Parts: sequence; structure tokens; C-alpha cells
Amino acid sequence: DQQVKQNSPSLSVQEGRISILNCDYTNSMFDYFLWYKKYPAEGPTFLISISSIKDKNEDGRFTVFLNKSAKHLSLHIVPSQPGDSAVYFCAAKGISNFGNEKLTFGTGTRLTIIP
Amino acid sequence: IAGITQAPTSQILAAGRRMTLRCTQDMRHNAMYWYRQDLGLGLRLIHYSNTAGTTGKGEVPDGYSVSRANTDDFPLTLASAVPSQTSVYFCASSPGTGNYGYTFGSGTRLTVV
Repeated sequence: DQQVKQNSPSLSVQEGRISILNCDYTNSMFDYFLWYKKYPAEGPTFLISISSIKDKNEDGRFTVFLNKSAKHLSLHIVPSQPGDSAVYFCAAKGISNFGNEKLTFGTGTRLTIIP
Repeated sequence: IAGITQAPTSQILAAGRRMTLRCTQDMRHNAMYWYRQDLGLGLRLIHYSNTAGTTGKGEVPDGYSVSRANTDDFPLTLASAVPSQTSVYFCASSPGTGNYGYTFGSGTRLTVV
């Protein structure tokens, strides 16, 4: 039972264009959402987050949108840069199947920025 | 040390052997976690500890045990390794409950043969 889903395993985007990464969740008890970025041979690093009381959070080139009714969030990166090439994980926090306040991760999307 | 340190970086282990993956943090975070990353499955929680002296089971706890004797250390033990435990293991920590993200270590790549 995958409570957080990233349906696109990979995405390629031209440098300078917008990258849009999508994430869906099934558990309505999730109330805090995060995006992590992961380079090969490194641990995931926090990128941006959003609380369920908001529908948008922006930090520089990165914007996260939350649609609670659709249980959907997305990460927009604009303009995309070669250094953005990485695996992106969506994560949700809240009451989950294995305990409260734990981060549940999606399966990840590998983003490749084409120069 | 800055953040979370995991050791070893990588290991090849014979099936049936016992192995302890080490994790140390210097941020005085209350909560610590162990995740495994597998292709197509993302990051799955193995065990967690909300504070020193307490531990709990995550999504995939079978075959693993943890201890939390103090705030800084959270070792993960495989009592008798099996090939399905081949994975990349990440330790993480957070200040505690609330709207905090997790800080991750750089991972241990374990191959069980």
C-alpha cells in the first residue's frame, strides 16, 4: 500500500525550461509535505516543504503547490539548471500506517536537465 | 563531525553473518530513523527512535534491530544477513515532532552475498 506515489520514474527537461515533478498521496491525515533531492552516493537533502494549511510555497527557483482536495502536490523548478539533475523524493508527514509523525516517502523521480 | 555520520560507507557481507551499521549525530536531535532505499520502492522506514531509550518499528522491521542508549548514536543490527537485505541504508534525525524535515547521512551500501 503505497501511500505516497510518484508515478513518473524519470523526467528529462531542457536547460532553462520549467521542470514539474508530481506526487500523489492517499492518506488524508498527512499534514506536512516535503521534497528532497538526492545525488548519487549522497544522502537525500531537504529542498522545500509546505504545510497543509497552505497551497503554495516558494523559495527561489523552487515552488511547491499543494492541492488537498486532489491529494496532489507538485514541485516546479524554473529555470532548470544542469545542477538540478538528481533524484527527487516527495515525502509526507502525519499519521501513517506505522506510527505518527513519520516521513513516508515516494519512490522518486530521476530528473535529467539537458544542456 | 557535522550532521550525521554513517559507517561503513559500503560493505560486502556473507549471508548468515551479523552486521552492525553505525550512525552518529552531533545535532542533539531527539528523533532518529533508519531507512532503506531500493530501486522502484523509494525510502522505506525500518526502525525509529523518538528519544533516547525508546525505539519503534517502521514499515519493514523484520530482520533488523536497533538500540538507542544515548542521544547521539543509533546503530542498526542485522542478526543474520540475507540477500534481500542488499540495499542502501540511510540514517536520519530530526528535532522531534512537528513540522521538521529530516537530516540524512550519506548512506551505507550493503551487499549480502
